[in-house]
Amino acid sequence: GAVVSQHPSRVICKSGTSVKIECRSLDFQATTMFWYRQFPKQSLMLMATSNEGSKATYEQGVEKDKFLINHASLTLSTLTVTSAHPEDSSFYICSARGTWGQETQYFGPGTRLLVL
Amino acid sequence: SQQGEEDPQALSIQEGENATMNCSYKTSINNLQWYRQNSGRGLVHLILIRSNEREKHSGRLRVTLDTSKKSSSLLITASRAADTASYFCATEPGYALNFGKGTSLLVTP
Repeated sequence: GAVVSQHPSRVICKSGTSVKIECRSLDFQATTMFWYRQFPKQSLMLMATSNEGSKATYEQGVEKDKFLINHASLTLSTLTVTSAHPEDSSFYICSARGTWGQETQYFGPGTRLLVL
Repeated sequence: SQQGEEDPQALSIQEGENATMNCSYKTSINNLQWYRQNSGRGLVHLILIRSNEREKHSGRLRVTLDTSKKSSSLLITASRAADTASYFCATEPGYALNFGKGTSLLVTP
C-alpha cells in the first residue's frame, strides 16, 4: 500500500527558532500533499494544500509567511514553522494523494512539535 | 472549517460489544470516509462510502450513509481492546478533507 513518512517524528525547539518538517511519499508520486494541524484532543484542521511546482494554498487564518510550504518534487513536501512560539506546539500531519487521482489520501505518522 | 460532527464524543464499552458512532455533515458530498487514529499517531483509512451507496462492509466494520439526512454511521462489531482509538469521519467538499471532531472509543477487556 501507499506509504507516507514524516521526519522528524518529534522535535523540541526554543522559541524564536525555525523548524522544518518533511513529508515524503515513499512508493508513489503525489501531485498534491496536504498539511494538517491537530491540537490535543481535537480534530485535524487543514492548514494548506501543497501542489508540486506551484505555490501552496493556505486556509483562512493560516499565516503563509509563518508556515512556509515547499513542494519541490512529486515525493517531497516540507513545512517550515518560522520563528516558532509556544502556541505553535502541536501535532502536524501531512497527507498525500497519488497522481492517479484516487479518492483516498494517505497520511503520514505525524510530527509532534514542542516549542519551549 | 469542520463539516462533520461525530457523536458520541466518547464511548466506553467492553470487549465483544458493538460500538456505533455517528457522523453528520452539512453540505453535499461525493464520498464520506472514516479514519482511525491511535493516540499520538497518524491516521489510518478505514473505509470510503460514495454518495450513491447506502451501506458498505469491511471485516468487522459496517458503514451506512443517508444522504437525505446528511449522516453516516460506523459500526464496529465484536469489539476488541485493540480497537481503542479515536475515529473520525471526513468529507471532501472540495479537494481536501474536512474532519469531524471525532469519537474517542475505549474498549475494556
